[in-house]
Amino acid sequence: GQSLEQPSEVTAVEGAIVQINCTYQTSGFYGLSWYQQHDGGAPTFLSYNGLDGLEETGRFSSFLSRSDSYGYLLLQELQMKDSASYFCASRTGANNLFFGTGTRLTVIP
Amino acid sequence: DVKVTQSSRYLVKRTGEKVFLECVQDMDHENMFWYRQDPGLGLRLIYFSYDVKMKEKGDIPEGYSVSREKKERFSLILESASTNQTSMYLCASSLGVGMNTEAFFGQGTRLTVV
Repeated sequence: GQSLEQPSEVTAVEGAIVQINCTYQTSGFYGLSWYQQHDGGAPTFLSYNGLDGLEETGRFSSFLSRSDSYGYLLLQELQMKDSASYFCASRTGANNLFFGTGTRLTVIP
Repeated sequence: DVKVTQSSRYLVKRTGEKVFLECVQDMDHENMFWYRQDPGLGLRLIYFSYDVKMKEKGDIPEGYSVSREKKERFSLILESASTNQTSMYLCASSLGVGMNTEAFFGQGTRLTVV
């Protein structure tokens, strides 16, 4: 089995930095991915961590610590358009993909 | 661009009806997935398929079945729709090799069972 737990809601100010955490328990582990979903839209891929450490993609960074079964998504220079839901996701095998409970980020002026 | 197309954006069905949700992808992906999304519960995996005619259960397969007769098409079947199956259903596809395999999603089907 597997579970991926995230905070349900986060609020942050435009221009600030926000961190969204994900703790996981899985029977097998093949890295952690992050997806963004705007209201009414489809989830879209943001990043992937297969190994421990930080991966940076523009304003977004993602971190993984496999020894702690923990990862996070870091969003810098927040913009209003970053208001969305963010999901961590993990594979327990080559062909599946399980998602966390999701974090709704609200960016305020 | 990868395109995953779900046959309907909105669907209203009666309790007890057999319901078919269709999904087609155009990128020759091996893996296809069906999720349902409910507030506060995230995306829950119903079934996935890694090849034609191959399928595996996800977290919540009860009340659902799937069919994959062609590589590009993955169907979700509600054998006898019930009101607790009212939800947003999302289909996705991904390549089958490597761990960093991005999943591409369709726009979703909002199913209401009355």
